Amino acid sequence: AQSVTQPDIHITVSEGASLELRCNYSYGATPYLFWYVQSPGQGLQLLLKYFSGDTLVQGIKGFEAEFKRSQSSFNLRKPSVHWSDAAEYFCAVGPTGKLTFGTGTRLQVTL
Amino acid sequence: EAQVTQNPRYLITVTGKKLTVTCSQNMNHEYMSWYRQDPGLGLRQIYYSMNVEVTDKGDVPEGYKVSRKEKRNFPLILESPSPNQTSLYFCASSGTGSSLSYEQYFGPGTRLTVT
Repeated sequence: AQSVTQPDIHITVSEGASLELRCNYSYGATPYLFWYVQSPGQGLQLLLKYFSGDTLVQGIKGFEAEFKRSQSSFNLRKPSVHWSDAAEYFCAVGPTGKLTFGTGTRLQVTL
Repeated sequence: EAQVTQNPRYLITVTGKKLTVTCSQNMNHEYMSWYRQDPGLGLRQIYYSMNVEVTDKGDVPEGYKVSRKEKRNFPLILESPSPNQTSLYFCASSGTGSSLSYEQYFGPGTRLTVT
């Protein structure tokens, strides 16, 4: 069965600091991996996705993620966080139509 | 504009009163899904559909029904809602390809409260 673990429930960073959100997955085949962001009271927006090829993927809003098969990880990174990045972030794995989501990491940004 | 729409966006109802949340997509997608989001639990899949008249249970299907009579629509039915179904519900759709890797497009969500 597929599963996703986001070990950090809540992270606080200062504006301008770098960010890394952790995601570990379990999947029986080549994983399809996604990061979504949810701003307060909003729906989900896709930040980036990995299907195959280059293990470092670029997304919107300056985010990137690196797929590491040996560690079963797909961590999300951003070099310099902006106050508007405060939101909840979800990692997900699975084929289309049947995603399994992690429990989310809430990001707080201090000025 | 490509989109997934859900109605209603907000709903307060009472225990046992049947309700339907509609979902529609205009992208001719084959796959459609329903998720519920609860604090600390992330999103969990309720049901999904691979195409018209083809549906299957997700991780938390108890207390819900779905139907897929048209490709664009995928309503979620709560025949006898209970307070533990108070949640934020999302509909999603995605296309198919040889890699089955197309991203899911999410609707805006329906906040349901059952008293």
